[in-house]
Amino acid sequence: GQNIDQPTEMTATEGAIVQINCTYQTSGFNGLFWYQQHAGEAPTFLSYNVLDGLEEKGRFSSFLSRSKGYSYLLLKELQMKDSASYLCALMDSNYQLIWGAGTKLIIKP
Amino acid sequence: IAGITQAPTSQILAAGRRMTLRCTQDMRHNAMYWYRQDLGLGLRLIHYSNTAGTTGKGEVPDGYSVSRANTDDFPLTLASAVPSQTSVYFCASSDSRGGDLGEQFFGPGTRLTVL
Repeated sequence: GQNIDQPTEMTATEGAIVQINCTYQTSGFNGLFWYQQHAGEAPTFLSYNVLDGLEEKGRFSSFLSRSKGYSYLLLKELQMKDSASYLCALMDSNYQLIWGAGTKLIIKP
Repeated sequence: IAGITQAPTSQILAAGRRMTLRCTQDMRHNAMYWYRQDLGLGLRLIHYSNTAGTTGKGEVPDGYSVSRANTDDFPLTLASAVPSQTSVYFCASSDSRGGDLGEQFFGPGTRLTVL
């Protein structure tokens, strides 16, 4: 079966850097996604990793290690608008997304 | 329309009533999905459709049905609502025909309360 773990909540300071970890166990893997979800809104796509390594997109980067079943999302130069939940999701062998419960990120001034 | 829309935005429903949640996309995506999101849990897949005319069961299909008569519309029906179906429902779509990340695009959600 599949299992995805990520911290329930994290707190960081405006202007700082935060790393949100995601670990997973799966029998089939076709990529790992990160989504952002502001309270009361729909999830929106942030990043996708299918090969090991770092993908950088502006202030956000995502890392994947398939051998370790591990990914992280790195947010730099944090802004108040980054306060949101960050959802880790893996694409299984049937190309369906299996979702973690999400990490609520609280940004303090 | 630009993207994916859902209706209604919210609904309070008496237990035992029938309810259809509507979802329409204009991106010509082949695949569509229905999720429910409950506090403390990840998004859970209810039903999906890889192409018009076909549907499949997700992780939590009991009590729900779907149809996919055309590419754009993917309604979700609760035949006889129960309080445990109180949740936020998200419809999503993706272009999964290859040459694409297959990322899913989400509608704004329907907040359903069953009393």
